[in-house]
Amino acid sequence: DGGITQSPKYLFRKEGQNVTLSCEQNLNHDAMYWYRQDPGQGLRLIYYSQIVNDFQKGDIAEGYSVSREKKESFPLTVTSAQKNPTAFYLCASSIVGSSGANVLTFGAGSRLTVL
Amino acid sequence: AQSVTQPDIHITVSEGASLELRCNYSYGATPYLFWYVQSPGQGLQLLLKYFSGDTLVQGIKGFEAEFKRSQSSFNLRKPSVHWSDAAEYFCAVADMNRDDKIIFGKGTRLHILP
Repeated sequence: DGGITQSPKYLFRKEGQNVTLSCEQNLNHDAMYWYRQDPGQGLRLIYYSQIVNDFQKGDIAEGYSVSREKKESFPLTVTSAQKNPTAFYLCASSIVGSSGANVLTFGAGSRLTVL
Repeated sequence: AQSVTQPDIHITVSEGASLELRCNYSYGATPYLFWYVQSPGQGLQLLLKYFSGDTLVQGIKGFEAEFKRSQSSFNLRKPSVHWSDAAEYFCAVADMNRDDKIIFGKGTRLHILP
C-alpha cells in the first residue's frame, strides 16, 4: 500500500544533540512537508519541498534543516539551535500543479522529547 | 493574511447525537477548504475538501461540511456520532495559487459520552 513512513515513532534526545527524523513516501508525490504540532497550537510549517534538490523555509524553520536528495525521502534534522524541540513532528506529501494539489497525505508522526 | 479560527477547543456530545464543529476563515478570494481528523498519537486523515461548485460537500465516515461565503465559514457536521469519532479535528485553508501555504486551525477535540 502507498503511504508515508516516519521513523522513529518516539525519540529521546539530550540537550545539545542533533537528531534526524526520517520521512519516506511511495506515493510518487512531488511535494513533501514537515509540520510541528504542539498541544493547542495546530500545525505549523517547518520546511517544504516541491522538487528534488530544492526546499523552502516555512513559518518556523529556525533550528531545523532538511535535505531532498531523492523524491521519496525528506529527512528533518532538529539541531541543537532549536530552543524548544520537544514536540510531535508530522511529515506530509502532495502532488503539485493540479486540482489535487493542497491535499496532504500525512505520516503517523514522530514524537521527540528532549531530556 | 490567511487565518483559520476554530472557536471551540473542546466539544462533548453524547453518542448518537448530532455534531457541528465550527470553522471560520479569513481569506481574500475563494479558498480551498479542508477538514482533517487526527486520532491520538497519529497523523491526520482527510475527511473532506471544498474547491468549488456545490457548497455542501460529503466526506468519509458520514461527515459533511457546508461552505458559506457570506459567513466565511466551513462548518463540519455529522447527524449521529459514534464513539469512534472521538478525535481532534482540524480545519485548514489553502491558497488556490500556491501549493505551499496550507494554514491549519488550532483544532477542536471531540469527546463522546456513552
